[in-house]
Amino acid sequence: LAKTTQPISMDSYEGQEVNITCSHNNIATNDYITWYQQFPSQGPRFIIQGYKTKVTNEVASLFIPADRKSSTLSLPRVSLSDTAVYYCLGSARQLTFGSGTQLTVLP
Amino acid sequence: DVKVTQSSRYLVKRTGEKVFLECVQDMDHENMFWYRQDPGLGLRLIYFSYDVKMKEKGDIPEGYSVSREKKERFSLILESASTNQTSMYLCASSFGTGPYEQYFGPGTRLTVT
Repeated sequence: LAKTTQPISMDSYEGQEVNITCSHNNIATNDYITWYQQFPSQGPRFIIQGYKTKVTNEVASLFIPADRKSSTLSLPRVSLSDTAVYYCLGSARQLTFGSGTQLTVLP
Repeated sequence: DVKVTQSSRYLVKRTGEKVFLECVQDMDHENMFWYRQDPGLGLRLIYFSYDVKMKEKGDIPEGYSVSREKKERFSLILESASTNQTSMYLCASSFGTGPYEQYFGPGTRLTVT
């Protein structure tokens, strides 16, 4: 199963674009990359999922290079309410969320 | 909307008690999961189930057991609660065997004294 590595924490300011990169060096051919968001005292919530190139929805964009060994979650124009922990999963079968990236958005 | 509910938001139990945490989902999902979350350790998988009466151990099954008698219900059992099982417990469910997203419940904060 793909093991993922992502930064422990990141700070940003309101209105900025935030990019969180996740590495998944041994991702399998048929694995997808999935990102979740978790607010304090809540369960994680699905944000976006992709297989290759670029995926965009109303919340975020996901960029996956051709070698698929990493992916970047992009949050446009963050607000204080985007402060949360973001988890990257590199496999459909990866059920280990790890510690994620704590994003703190500052005013 | 998919809904995953957990029987309690907060629970306080004594050491040695048998504890049941219940999880129910209303979307006919095949898969159900139990995680615990502790500061600095992220979410760790305890047990999961791909079908009724079926269970698989996750990363940290010791001290826990599970039961899935009906498709919509997945129970986590602490046979003899210990203080190191004080944690936030999260239940989740998902469709089939593809890359389907997991839907999480609100969590149960269990304190064992």
